[in-house]
Amino acid sequence: GAVVSQHPSRVICKSGTSVKIECRSLDFQATTMFWYRQFPKQSLMLMATSNEGSKATYEQGVEKDKFLINHASLTLSTLTVTSAHPEDSSFYICSASKNSNQPQHFGDGTRLSIL
Amino acid sequence: RKEVEQDPGPFNVPEGATVAFNCTYSNSASQSFFWYRQDCRKEPKLLMSVYSSGNEDGRFTAQLNRASQYISLLIRDSKLSDSATYLCVVTGGSGNTGKLIFGQGTTLQVKP
Repeated sequence: GAVVSQHPSRVICKSGTSVKIECRSLDFQATTMFWYRQFPKQSLMLMATSNEGSKATYEQGVEKDKFLINHASLTLSTLTVTSAHPEDSSFYICSASKNSNQPQHFGDGTRLSIL
Repeated sequence: RKEVEQDPGPFNVPEGATVAFNCTYSNSASQSFFWYRQDCRKEPKLLMSVYSSGNEDGRFTAQLNRASQYISLLIRDSKLSDSATYLCVVTGGSGNTGKLIFGQGTTLQVKP
């Protein structure tokens, strides 16, 4: 079946650091990937839609200059949390599907802790 | 109003019990519907897609009522390993963009 890999799985860093998270589709090409954030005891919230070869589409309230998304190839999207602060601590998850008619598969998630 | 609403629970049931979860969604333009399962501190995993005709996968049965904008999941003969959070998920908006809208999730605890 389809596999999505996310790296790193856990990040602990100081306030002000920028953190890059990678999302890879391992056995299929994904023109679209999605980035979500989940705070404790809350549902996944879509942050942005990552489009291969073009700019990401951000959801309302998500700062595009804070959360930089690059989708340079059909198998890789990256999310960079710039100048991270403690309130950015969360579980970040990416997803992708072979096409929009197929269910999405999720990466393992990245647990980000900013001290 | 949330786009996808679920009773957060928790539902505490004994092994072997039958349990049902419900979900309502607000966007009548939603086209695809899913139940995902999420274990604590893990990523969501697809449990099953939900079709208008209803569908069954082993002990799990999903139903969709488009007129009422209502989705259900029935779990029969609950196992300890069924303990998890069950997420009701719909695609958002018109057009087939693949964008998913998640419910808060319903927590199930199956006790021995």
